[in-house]
Amino acid sequence: QQQVKQSPQSLIVQKGGIPIINCAYENTAFDYFPWYQQFPGKGPALLIAIRPDVSEKKEGRFTISFNKSAKQFSLHIMDSQPGDSATYFCAGGVGEYSGGGADGLTFGKGTHLIIQP
Amino acid sequence: NAGVTQTPKFRILKIGQSMTLQCTQDMNHNYMYWYRQDPGMGLKLIYYSVGAGITDKGEVPNGYNVSRSTTEDFPLRLELAAPSQTSVYFCASTRTGLGSTTEAFFGQGTRLTVV
Repeated sequence: QQQVKQSPQSLIVQKGGIPIINCAYENTAFDYFPWYQQFPGKGPALLIAIRPDVSEKKEGRFTISFNKSAKQFSLHIMDSQPGDSATYFCAGGVGEYSGGGADGLTFGKGTHLIIQP
Repeated sequence: NAGVTQTPKFRILKIGQSMTLQCTQDMNHNYMYWYRQDPGMGLKLIYYSVGAGITDKGEVPNGYNVSRSTTEDFPLRLELAAPSQTSVYFCASTRTGLGSTTEAFFGQGTRLTVV
């Protein structure tokens, strides 16, 4: 599987700041880009996802920005809170509407985010 | 709703022992997956299944086996445990393939240590 490169590996932000996590992908067949949030001792849970036909998607305080030409996408967390402290994974996959998707997502290596009070 | 349930939550194995990690989902999802998560390495796909009786290898299948006799269950078998299999294992399921509008639901994980 081709890689999804995620940075930074760890990030510390003060409460109210805007942490930004970046990802870059190689597989141009990918057409589904989710972000997962994982708290300690728990499994990952879907946070927000985007398709490459839009450049931005917002859900609450979470925003994905997508740059198809650069093959990059990023997660922004507005007005960050200590409760947002978690590990965040970006991923890429081939969507069901493209006839694929059975073999799972390719995940980035994760970003350990700490929001300080 | 139970969602995806994995057992056990923790296990310590000796080198050469075997064990089965259990995974069951109650959402009638066709697609199920096994991932392993190592520190700083993200999630790597071990095996996946698109329905009962159908399984296929993922990125890191060596040392593992799976079966899918029912829609609900997707056990992962380690035959001869090795220290390299020390990891946290996650089972996941989706309604269809991982696609544009399909969410993957993960279990809480099994933390396995091989000594």
